[in-house]
Amino acid sequence: QKEVEQDPGPLSVPEGAIVSLNCTYSNSAFQYFMWYRQYSRKGPELLMYTYSSGNKEDGRFTAQVDKSSKYISLFIRDSQPSDSATYLCAMSTDSNYQLIWGAGTKLIIKP
Amino acid sequence: ETGVTQTPRHLVMGMTNKKSLKCEQHLGHNAMYWYKQSAKKPLELMFVYSLEERVENNSVPSRFSPECPNSSHLFLHLHTLQPEDSALYLCASSQDPAGGLDEQFFGPGTRLTVL
Repeated sequence: QKEVEQDPGPLSVPEGAIVSLNCTYSNSAFQYFMWYRQYSRKGPELLMYTYSSGNKEDGRFTAQVDKSSKYISLFIRDSQPSDSATYLCAMSTDSNYQLIWGAGTKLIIKP
Repeated sequence: ETGVTQTPRHLVMGMTNKKSLKCEQHLGHNAMYWYKQSAKKPLELMFVYSLEERVENNSVPSRFSPECPNSSHLFLHLHTLQPEDSALYLCASSQDPAGGLDEQFFGPGTRLTVL
């Protein structure tokens, strides 16, 4: 079993839709949960992070962590074609800097 | 130049060639990383340097050899590669890999094809 599971997609939705991207994980010691966005021919860039459980909102983006279910989500409201990218989840513990990554979900927003 | 830069952006090499990938960070960070990214697979951490000392070597084949001459530069020397080594090689840097949240900043990657 992989430590972090993420559906690689692609996920194709119409412009303006609400998008839900998800990862599940097996290591209960993970405390930091990150979402990176990677545009074509670019490296990943940090989009949002949360510590432990709860929600975090930043503009059209909301990150949720459910530690009891070992499940994290990224919601995108009013999706735009410019949101088309691969979204990677990554996690780490308090004591180890090494990030454990999901495979990334390719998101396509159709105009 | 700003952020993290990588050269070359594309590289095609034969199995008997020797080549090197270069990474430079302009962020004043203390740590640098090499990752391998293959289609539909998680990023694989290959090497980590902190203050020019190698702190991580994740069972990477010896045909990959890293070099960190100073905190701003990182190289990945390649020799006798296999076709399965074809992938996007990403360099990243961060301020302090001491645990917890330490944002990593990535370069655009080198797309490597081994024939």
